Amino acid sequence: KAGVTQTPRYLIKTRGQQVTLSCSPISGHRSVSWYQQTPGQGLQFLFEYFSETQRNKGNFPGRFSGRQFSNSRSEMNVSTLELGDSALYLCASSLARQLTTDTQYFGPGTRLTVL
Amino acid sequence: DQQVKQNSPSLSVQEGRISILNCDYTNSMFDYFLWYKKYPAEGPTFLISISSIKDKNEDGRFTVFLNKSAKHLSLHIVPSQPGDSAVYFCAASAGRGTSGSRLTFGEGTQLTVNP
Repeated sequence: KAGVTQTPRYLIKTRGQQVTLSCSPISGHRSVSWYQQTPGQGLQFLFEYFSETQRNKGNFPGRFSGRQFSNSRSEMNVSTLELGDSALYLCASSLARQLTTDTQYFGPGTRLTVL
Repeated sequence: DQQVKQNSPSLSVQEGRISILNCDYTNSMFDYFLWYKKYPAEGPTFLISISSIKDKNEDGRFTVFLNKSAKHLSLHIVPSQPGDSAVYFCAASAGRGTSGSRLTFGEGTQLTVNP
C-alpha cells in the first residue's frame, strides 16, 4: 500500500506571496493532519481534517488554512508569507476509527523556504 | 508550556548495547503515546505506540514502557544498531476517534550508535 505523499517536495517563495501544499493520504485513511517543523519550535500541530471538515486546530494565525476533498486528499494554504514560515511542512494520515486512537503515518514533507 | 519533554538532546551508545530514550509529560488527558524516528529532511517514521491502559508494549528490538503515576515513558532499543542512529521523537495524544487526533511532540533526542 502506498504511503502518504506530499507535493511539491521543495518550494521557494518570497515574502508576501501565498503557497498551496498538497497531501494524499494512505488509501482508506480518512483523517489528515498537518504539522510544521522548525528548528526553534520543533514539531507543531497546525490542523486536522476529517470528512472534509476541520476537526481540530492548533495555535497558528489565520494565514494558515486548509481543506479536505471527498477523496480525503488535503491541501494547506499559507497566505502573505513571512520569513518565519520557512519550515518543513508535514502531513500525516490515520484511519480515524470511532472510539479508537489510530496511529498517524507521516509523508516526506514539503520544505518551504521564504526569501 | 511544553507538555511533552525529552530532556536529553542527544545520546550515544555502542553497537549491541541497550539504548534508553526518555520522555516526560504533564497533561493527564494524554492516553496514547507514540515514538517516531526521523532523519533530516524526511517525515517521521512510526516505531511503536502504547495506550494508557498498558504499561509495556514490545515489537522486536523496541519496547516502550509507560509509568502513568510518574507521567514518564521510555523507549528501549536492544540491541542497538548503527542504522538506529536518528532523531527520536516522543508524541502524545488525548481523546479517541471522533474527538480528533492531535499529536503533541517532544523536542527529540539524537541517538548515535557507534560501531
